[in-house]
Amino acid sequence: NAGVTQTPKFRILKIGQSMTLQCTQDMNHNYMYWYRQDPGMGLKLIYYSVGAGITDKGEVPNGYNVSRSTTEDFPLRLELAAPSQTSVYFCASTPTPAGNEAFFGQGTRLTVV
Amino acid sequence: QKEVEQDPGPLSVPEGAIVSLNCTYSNSAFQYFMWYRQYSRKGPELLMYTYSSGNKEDGRFTAQVDKSSKYISLFIRDSQPSDSATYLCAMKSGGSNYKLTFGKGTLLTVNP
Repeated sequence: NAGVTQTPKFRILKIGQSMTLQCTQDMNHNYMYWYRQDPGMGLKLIYYSVGAGITDKGEVPNGYNVSRSTTEDFPLRLELAAPSQTSVYFCASTPTPAGNEAFFGQGTRLTVV
Repeated sequence: QKEVEQDPGPLSVPEGAIVSLNCTYSNSAFQYFMWYRQYSRKGPELLMYTYSSGNKEDGRFTAQVDKSSKYISLFIRDSQPSDSATYLCAMKSGGSNYKLTFGKGTLLTVNP
């Protein structure tokens, strides 16, 4: 199984540009998450979804949007990119609501200049 | 006071050493405790998961939880160069709370 797949792996954006980070999982997990990881800062939850059509904000949602039209896909949209959004973004999924075993993608390294 | 505190290191040990990694937390609602391992430029992967106070062993790894002191540890015996990675503790409360709270991670290097 591929698990959780994120694209692209790297991206450089200019201030004010927009982009979508793609995430897809093939494990039929209902629960999916987007985190950002800044150097030395651990992971912060941006948005999460408990199933197709249902999304909710995490700790740091400002500047981001998500949608969940299928069980497999959970894209993260950045509108009007800012230097503060320079980070490594991880998508994750869990098989249960408890979410104890989260499966992570390889990450998208984003730089906003 | 941050919900989860973890010494970022870096920690450098010789091969074969016993490694101790620790996190403290302030939220009494945390019930589930996890350790994730993250290799450079990769996503985190679950290493250990515990629920109750006490020890849980898996091969060379032992996870320890002390809820009364709000303190968790991960011990690595006979450390190997392949154990070199960042180790993140993570915690969550019970019920329908989906949010994992992560520590900042400790960078470990095991030197051959």
